[in-house]
Amino acid sequence: SQTIHQWPATLVQPVGSPLSLECTVEGTSNPNLYWYRQAAGRGLQLLFYSVGIGQISSEVPQNLSASRPQDRQFILSSKKLLLSDSGFYLCAFWSRSEAFFGQGTRLTVV
Amino acid sequence: AQTVTQSQPEMSVQEAETVTLSCTYDTSENNYYLFWYKQPPSRQMILVIRQEAYKQQNATENRFSVNFQKAAKSFSLKISDSQLGDTAMYFCAFMHYGNMLTFGGGTRLMVKP
Repeated sequence: SQTIHQWPATLVQPVGSPLSLECTVEGTSNPNLYWYRQAAGRGLQLLFYSVGIGQISSEVPQNLSASRPQDRQFILSSKKLLLSDSGFYLCAFWSRSEAFFGQGTRLTVV
Repeated sequence: AQTVTQSQPEMSVQEAETVTLSCTYDTSENNYYLFWYKQPPSRQMILVIRQEAYKQQNATENRFSVNFQKAAKSFSLKISDSQLGDTAMYFCAFMHYGNMLTFGGGTRLMVKP
């Protein structure tokens, strides 16, 4: 079966510290992968998507970057976090006409 | 680029009644998918219903049905016999094959007892 794992579930980081959120997918190959951010009570903003290893498309200029070192691994990073990076981050993959979502990471930058 | 608009930030409905959530989208593509996702307080994204644009018949899943108007680029969700567990954020989403999955801003639905 197809599954997606995203961690950590919650994270509190000081301003200026680095960030690494990881997402891995099982049960499928060469999936489209996505990172979204959701502000409290708001919609999902697409940050990055990837159609293959090393192929990253960025939708919004920001303090974040993404990488796909392996087919089923998608990483969201920052070298120096800003207060405005706080939010709920969701990883997702697309397979067989459906999107599957991770459990999300609640990031608080203090 | 595709855009998805949900014009109702919040809605409420009495338990057992019917409610309709609106969604419009803009695209130049002819073949695509449309979705409604539910996000309860746990924030887990749950697929409610899916519609393929080439299918003229409206999708239905138990108490959930859609009114898909391709020419008008409209995709509304009807929830019949509303239940307290339907209280959640609802997102409309658009996907052109193998491309970006774009979401609307969401509608917060409250089902009142």
